[in-house]
Amino acid sequence: NAGVTQTPKFQVLKTGQSMTLQCAQDMNHNSMYWYRQDPGMGLRLIYYSASEGTTDKGEVPNGYNVSRLNKREFSLRLESAAPSQTSVYFCASSVEQGNQPQHFGDGTRLSIL
Amino acid sequence: AQTVTQSQPEMSVQEAETVTLSCTYDTSESDYYLFWYKQPPSRQMILVIRQEAYKQQNATENRFSVNFQKAAKSFSLKISDSQLGDAAMYFCAFLPHTNDKIIFGKGTRLHILP
Repeated sequence: NAGVTQTPKFQVLKTGQSMTLQCAQDMNHNSMYWYRQDPGMGLRLIYYSASEGTTDKGEVPNGYNVSRLNKREFSLRLESAAPSQTSVYFCASSVEQGNQPQHFGDGTRLSIL
Repeated sequence: AQTVTQSQPEMSVQEAETVTLSCTYDTSESDYYLFWYKQPPSRQMILVIRQEAYKQQNATENRFSVNFQKAAKSFSLKISDSQLGDAAMYFCAFLPHTNDKIIFGKGTRLHILP
């Protein structure tokens, strides 16, 4: 089982460029999440999707958009990248809302110059 | 607003010894879930252990156990017989029963000394 797969693993962008981070899970999970991880800040929730067709803002949604394309895929888009968005981005999924643990992808290291 | 605090940014323990990582949280909710995640240098986030708030019994997973003190809002992780492979960043996380927004602490970096 691949679990949660994120692409790309690394990316460098210039300020103002746009890009989409892709995430797919093969565990038939209903809920999917995007986090960013910054030094000394732990993980912060950007957006999440409790089910196909629904998305909700997390703690730090500004500057991002998401799309739950189908049950498997949940993409994160930066329309106009800013240096403050330099971070490591993690996608995660869980069976459903509630007490189920989240399964994480390997992360995408994104640098904005 | 809920918060999760890990007061120890870094800790070190001798191999084969026992170490306890601290975590406190703040919430007005009575039903919630708590997790400890491990993030080794590979960057992967790995679930170590979880605890349901309504359960008084502390969760245990092999060498990992928790001390859950609901009244004190404390959720510490004890690692027994520490191994070199335990070296990682450890994150405490809180998930309220009422929504899907898990909240992470800032992490504790654990070093294992051979």
